[in-house]
Amino acid sequence: KQEVTQIPAALSVPEGENLVLNCSFTDSAIYNLQWFRQDPGKGLTSLLLIQSSQREQTSGRLNASLDKSSGRSTLYIAASQPGDSATYLCAAATSNTGKLIFGQGTTLQVKP
Amino acid sequence: NAGVMQNPRHLVRRRGQEARLRCSPMKGHSHVYWYRQLPEEGLKFMVYLQKENIIDESGMPKERFSAEFPKEGPSILRIQQVVRGDSAAYFCASSPGQGGNTEAFFGQGTRLTVV
Repeated sequence: KQEVTQIPAALSVPEGENLVLNCSFTDSAIYNLQWFRQDPGKGLTSLLLIQSSQREQTSGRLNASLDKSSGRSTLYIAASQPGDSATYLCAAATSNTGKLIFGQGTTLQVKP
Repeated sequence: NAGVMQNPRHLVRRRGQEARLRCSPMKGHSHVYWYRQLPEEGLKFMVYLQKENIIDESGMPKERFSAEFPKEGPSILRIQQVVRGDSAAYFCASSPGQGGNTEAFFGQGTRLTVV
């Protein structure tokens, strides 16, 4: 049974700092891994999707990596801004139906 | 191209009433997923539907919950005889096709409060 874990649960950093959010999964047989952002009381915004055959994806200040053999993905945020404050969720697609298994999320606060 | 539309955004029901949550997928998407986010918990898969078919309902509670995705109209998640423990945010996602490699797009969610 696939389990997805995110560490840390919460993170507070000063503005401008580079930071890394971690995601681990127990079953390496994934189809893809997605990173989402969720603002309080809002829906999920897709940030990056990494296919199982890929190692990383980049979008602006965000870079996500995937290491299937070790069961880990990281989300790197460069030059963090207060507007980056949100909860970041990773989710693994572990079946050909596209069903996602989510981690508990990392709540990020970037202080001005 | 409008995103995934869910309504209502907020729903208050008394214990014992029925709750109906609607989800209109993105244009051209024929695959719908429902997830539930309980307070202080992560998102949990509930059900996966294609037009007129339930493909995977392994995450649905055995009683009181049902889902449909008719040929015409939105997908509906129905909760009968709601209880306080049903209070949660319910999210719908859609994708253009089946396959583990397709990207899912999420709606804003419906926040159900049972009083």
